[in-house]
Amino acid sequence: DVKVTQSSRYLVKRTGEKVFLECVQDMDHENMFWYRQDPGLGLRLIYFSYDVKMKEKGDIPEGYSVSREKKERFSLILESASTNQTSMYLCASTGWLAGVGDTQYFGPGTRLTVL
Amino acid sequence: GESVGLHLPTLSVQEGDNSIINCAYSNSASDYFIWYKQESGKGPQFIIDIRSNMDKRQGQRVTVLLNKTVKHLSLQIAATQPGDSAVYFCAEIVTGGSYIPTFGRGTSLIVHP
Repeated sequence: DVKVTQSSRYLVKRTGEKVFLECVQDMDHENMFWYRQDPGLGLRLIYFSYDVKMKEKGDIPEGYSVSREKKERFSLILESASTNQTSMYLCASTGWLAGVGDTQYFGPGTRLTVL
Repeated sequence: GESVGLHLPTLSVQEGDNSIINCAYSNSASDYFIWYKQESGKGPQFIIDIRSNMDKRQGQRVTVLLNKTVKHLSLQIAATQPGDSAVYFCAEIVTGGSYIPTFGRGTSLIVHP
């Protein structure tokens, strides 16, 4: 069964703190993604990665960085958290190219609150 | 099925009714489409997908219809149950490109017992 896990379901941090959000998938997928989801704005892509040590900016990369040291793990880093980064963060992974049956699988999400 | 401002479109139905949720997609080059269900506080779950060489695909209690002429996708849920209450959104993908999905903003389905 497909599994994408995220390290925390809920997280509360203070402004200026460094925040790490971890995502692990057990499907040997090459592609991994980080999104944030806000009411009325839908899913917005922050960063994605096609392979180990590779990363690409999405639509809203400012204030974030990522790390992909191992194929199964994709980390999102907030170098200095700000209140406007309070959001639901979703990790997803997918197999290489959209072949038959490939699709994007999501983790359960991390609801981050920055005070 | 697109949101306006901060509020999602909402569909309210009675238990047992059939539900139809719509999605207009934007890119005529998109050739793969997915419907997701997202319950409150959870990540999106894959429901059903369809490729552009099809115009209809059926799953368990769900059917997806694709009209490429007008770039429209719909999700039909038969005999809707209270457990179907969630936000539903579509994704469009160009499989020959970067495979970055473009997501619709979703429709909130409320099922009344």
